[in-house]
Amino acid sequence: GDSVTQMEGPVTLSEEAFLTINCTYTATGYPSLFWYVQYPGEGLQLLLKATKADDKGSNKGFEATYRKETTSFHLEKGSVQVSDSAVYFCALDRNLGAQKLVFGQGTRLTINP
Amino acid sequence: DTAVSQTPKYLVTQMGNDKSIKCEQNLGHDTMYWYKQDSKKFLKIMFSYNNKELIINETVPNRFSPKSPDKAHLNLHINSLELGDSAVYFCASSQADRGYGYTFGSGTRLTVV
Repeated sequence: GDSVTQMEGPVTLSEEAFLTINCTYTATGYPSLFWYVQYPGEGLQLLLKATKADDKGSNKGFEATYRKETTSFHLEKGSVQVSDSAVYFCALDRNLGAQKLVFGQGTRLTINP
Repeated sequence: DTAVSQTPKYLVTQMGNDKSIKCEQNLGHDTMYWYKQDSKKFLKIMFSYNNKELIINETVPNRFSPKSPDKAHLNLHINSLELGDSAVYFCASSQADRGYGYTFGSGTRLTVV
């Protein structure tokens, strides 16, 4: 079945460090790919998305590129801030059959000043 | 204006009780969902409705019964609550155009004691 695998957390970085959170997927067809962020005590917010191979999604300094050859959608940011501390979820919608998001297990990110 | 609103935000109840969670979206989306987030932050779909019609029912105990009176509302009723039902429940909605993304509510934290 469809699945999403993220790097294990928690991840702890210092402010201004470079961030990568790995995400790989298994899916039938050509899925759309998403990153969602959950700040402490809040719901899920869409961070960025990509709908086809080689698309790059970007928002708030975060980027991810849809790589079909490696079935990956890694999240990157060049210089993280304390306010980026949150749980990040990679997800896919396989664009076949009933609409639904399949999530990775989430990666908790903590940024220290 | 809140796009997807859930009530209540917190719900503490005893085992064996019956409770409901309400969800409303004002985005004009035609599909709505319930997701469950467990204590390890893992998110899994429970149900989806498209224009009041049940589309997805993912091996959820039949103590859980969704109801969609119209396409802007999707409520979740839970009978005979068990300790293992304690979780955060998220409502979400999406449009028919795939790849657009899903909008989530802020969640309902259910604690069964």
